[in-house]
Amino acid sequence: SQTIHQWPATLVQPVGSPLSLECTVEGTSNPNLYWYRQAAGRGLQLLFYSIGIGQISSEVPQNLSASRPQDRQFILSSKKLLLSDSGFYLCAWEPQGIMNTEAFFGQGTRLTVV
Amino acid sequence: GDSVTQMEGPVTLSEEAFLTINCTYTATGYPSLFWYVQYPGEGLQLLLKATKADDKGSNKGFEATYRKETTSFHLEKGSVQVSDSAVYFCALSDQGNNDMRFGAGTRLTVKP
Repeated sequence: SQTIHQWPATLVQPVGSPLSLECTVEGTSNPNLYWYRQAAGRGLQLLFYSIGIGQISSEVPQNLSASRPQDRQFILSSKKLLLSDSGFYLCAWEPQGIMNTEAFFGQGTRLTVV
Repeated sequence: GDSVTQMEGPVTLSEEAFLTINCTYTATGYPSLFWYVQYPGEGLQLLLKATKADDKGSNKGFEATYRKETTSFHLEKGSVQVSDSAVYFCALSDQGNNDMRFGAGTRLTVKP
């Protein structure tokens, strides 16, 4: 069966420090991968999605970047965190090429920038 | 582009009350529609889905019908429980876009 792992679960980082959040998927190959952010009291914002290794699409200009160094690994990064980067970050995957399927989410990372 | 508009919360109900959370969508193609639930401190999990017009998704007493004529996918439950307290997200997936669009989420609190 397929599983998705996201870590760390919580993170407190000072302003200006770097960030690296990692997400890995097991039990499938060539998934579509996504990073979402959920700010306090707000909905889900799609940050990045990837349909393959090295293929990253960004939805909104921001202080973050994403990389997909391996087929089932998706990393969210920042060189210098801002206070506004605080939020709940969710990684998700869905099978590629299969119609009408849902996305599967990790447990999320709560990031607090202080 | 594709989008989802969801009833704003928060919604507070007493146990055994009837629940409706409205959701409407805009899409250029023929999307699949989903309701996800997020319990406190957790990621999202699929609650139900419908993949074509007039389909009804159901799970755990929740139902939603894919209405193409009104571009809606309203979530309903006849009798809510305290354990249903969570944030509910309506979403669509249009296979041509490689992404899933979410509504803003509706926080439901059920009081005993």
